[in-house]
Amino acid sequence: NAGVTQTPKFQVLKTGQSMTLQCAQDMNHEYMSWYRQDPGMGLRLIHYSVGAGITDQGEVPNGYNVSRSTTEDFPLRLLSAAPSQTSVYFCASSYRQGTSPLHFGNGTRLTVT
Amino acid sequence: TQLLEQSPQFLSIQEGENLTVYCNSSSVFSSLQWYRQEPGEGPVLLVTVVTGGEVKKLKRLTFQFGDARKDSSLHITAAQPGDTGLYLCAGPNQAGTALIFGKGTTLSVSS
Repeated sequence: NAGVTQTPKFQVLKTGQSMTLQCAQDMNHEYMSWYRQDPGMGLRLIHYSVGAGITDQGEVPNGYNVSRSTTEDFPLRLLSAAPSQTSVYFCASSYRQGTSPLHFGNGTRLTVT
Repeated sequence: TQLLEQSPQFLSIQEGENLTVYCNSSSVFSSLQWYRQEPGEGPVLLVTVVTGGEVKKLKRLTFQFGDARKDSSLHITAAQPGDTGLYLCAGPNQAGTALIFGKGTTLSVSS
């Protein structure tokens, strides 16, 4: 049982480049979300989805896009990377929005130079 | 704006000591969750507390939810090096659309 799988584990980008962080879950969870974790800032919500075809913004959505074409996958796209997007990104899923415990992937460490 | 404030930010203790970490808010939460995160991994759920005044035990870890559901504490008895990690509390936002997290307490237990 894989749970939540994130790829890649590490990535270095130059300013202005674009990339997609992949996230897949095999628990048939309807709710999926992306957080970024920065020192001293805790986990901050970027975007979330309550089901296939439905996405919404979180606390820090600027510079990121998401889509949800299937229940299993929830990719996060950086359109034009900036040094301020250097962070560790976590994908998480849960059975139900809001109150259900989150199952996290092991993160993608992104550095933008 | 709902905020969860965790204290202390850092804690370094010797094996065998007891400790308590706190999660406080001025807002009422319907429930609170505690997670532990180890380096290079995602947070993992430890417990959910739902009822004001509730106490839950997980081996040497005791979790308490405040009577007014605005705060929670985690007490560890006889800490071990395996308890080392980042402890995060989280609760649902008022709209019920997402979990908000405190900034965490980093615990280091040395032998």
